[in-house]
Amino acid sequence: DAGVIQSPRHEVTEMGQEVTLRCKPISGHNSLFWYRQTMMRGLELLIYFNNNVPIDDSGMPEDRFSAKMPNASFSTLKIQPSEPRDSAVYFCASSFERDRGYRYTFGSGTRLTVV
Amino acid sequence: SQQGEEDPQALSIQEGENATMNCSYKTSINNLQWYRQNSGRGLVHLILIRSNEREKHSGRLRVTLDTSKKSSSLLITASRAADTASYFCATDSEGGGNKLTFGTGTQLKVEL
Repeated sequence: DAGVIQSPRHEVTEMGQEVTLRCKPISGHNSLFWYRQTMMRGLELLIYFNNNVPIDDSGMPEDRFSAKMPNASFSTLKIQPSEPRDSAVYFCASSFERDRGYRYTFGSGTRLTVV
Repeated sequence: SQQGEEDPQALSIQEGENATMNCSYKTSINNLQWYRQNSGRGLVHLILIRSNEREKHSGRLRVTLDTSKKSSSLLITASRAADTASYFCATDSEGGGNKLTFGTGTQLKVEL
């Protein structure tokens, strides 16, 4: 298994531009999570899906952020328009339940820089 | 707000020494997990301990959990330079489904 695959690895964009981050979870995992990591705020959960359905999007900072999971093998996180304060590393993770516990597998992240 | 707070924020030790990191959390939990993050990489699951367990071992890792104090500790024995990384605790709250909330992390540096 190739693990959780995120693309792109790095993204540099100008303020106001649309940014789309992509994630392919591990086959068979039924939950998918988007996290954002910054020095100031640590790891923040933005949104998560169970069986392709959004369950909790309370962490999505603003309406500029949106996420979709059209099928079990693909999810996107979109920022439109982007702002410098959106600069962070965005992680996607997938999980499944085993022995009454959910273990996450993280992707390598997308480092976003908005200038 | 962060559910878990790790202590210390940073730890520097010599190879061969033991490293202990602590985590405190605020609400009742089902499970507590520890993850490791190497610089520039994603987090990697290390170990899970259930709320009804008090101690768990995996290789050189030993995790304890004290639900009365809402705290956990991760001990890495006989540390190696390759253990240099950030370590995070993560909790899933009772009734919170499979959502994990991560702590602030401990940066461990193991020097030769």
